[in-house]
Amino acid sequence: GENVEQHPSTLSVQEGDSAVIKCTYSDSASNYFPWYKQELGKGPQLIIDIRSNVGEKKDQRIAVTLNKTAKHFSLHITETQPEDSAVYFCAATDSWGKLQFGAGTQVVVTP
Amino acid sequence: DADVTQTPRNRITKTGKRIMLECSQTKGHDRMYWYRQDPGLGLRLIYYSFDVKDINKGEISDGYSVSRQAQAKFSLSLESAIPNQTALYFCATSGHGQGNTEAFFGQGTRLTVV
Repeated sequence: GENVEQHPSTLSVQEGDSAVIKCTYSDSASNYFPWYKQELGKGPQLIIDIRSNVGEKKDQRIAVTLNKTAKHFSLHITETQPEDSAVYFCAATDSWGKLQFGAGTQVVVTP
Repeated sequence: DADVTQTPRNRITKTGKRIMLECSQTKGHDRMYWYRQDPGLGLRLIYYSFDVKDINKGEISDGYSVSRQAQAKFSLSLESAIPNQTALYFCATSGHGQGNTEAFFGQGTRLTVV
């Protein structure tokens, strides 16, 4: 089945700097790669996603890139702000459309 | 009102007790999931259901059972709770097909087994 690895597990950045989280996946049939943000005491919420026919997608300060050949995808957050502090999860769909999640990255943005 | 509602939000139970966590959704989705979250392990799938008559085991189903009472309701049971089932549990729903794969999560149930 699908296996998703996520790095780093924790990331501390200065406000205004960029943050990058990287994920790799194992199933070459995966075709949907969402990123979720989990704030304290809440359930994960989708922030951006990308499909296998696209190499990059951007939404304001966040962007995701996908390299299907290397089976890795990354989340980029620019001009980080304190409200970006949260746990971020990457995920990939398996052949049945179920999501396999990475272990999560705790992002801390310090003023 | 939340699209995906979990009850209870918090629960403390004793080892050996049976406990049920409930989930209801107003998204009209066919697919529902139960995940368990532990620090450093991400979200691991316990059980999932693609429609009312469909129940499937996930990667960590031992010690758990589920019931899909209706399209909108999916409950998770621990028949005999043990301390290593202490975790944060999430219910989620999704549609299917291109453009409808986003998963929507409930607020979570924090379960402590003592």
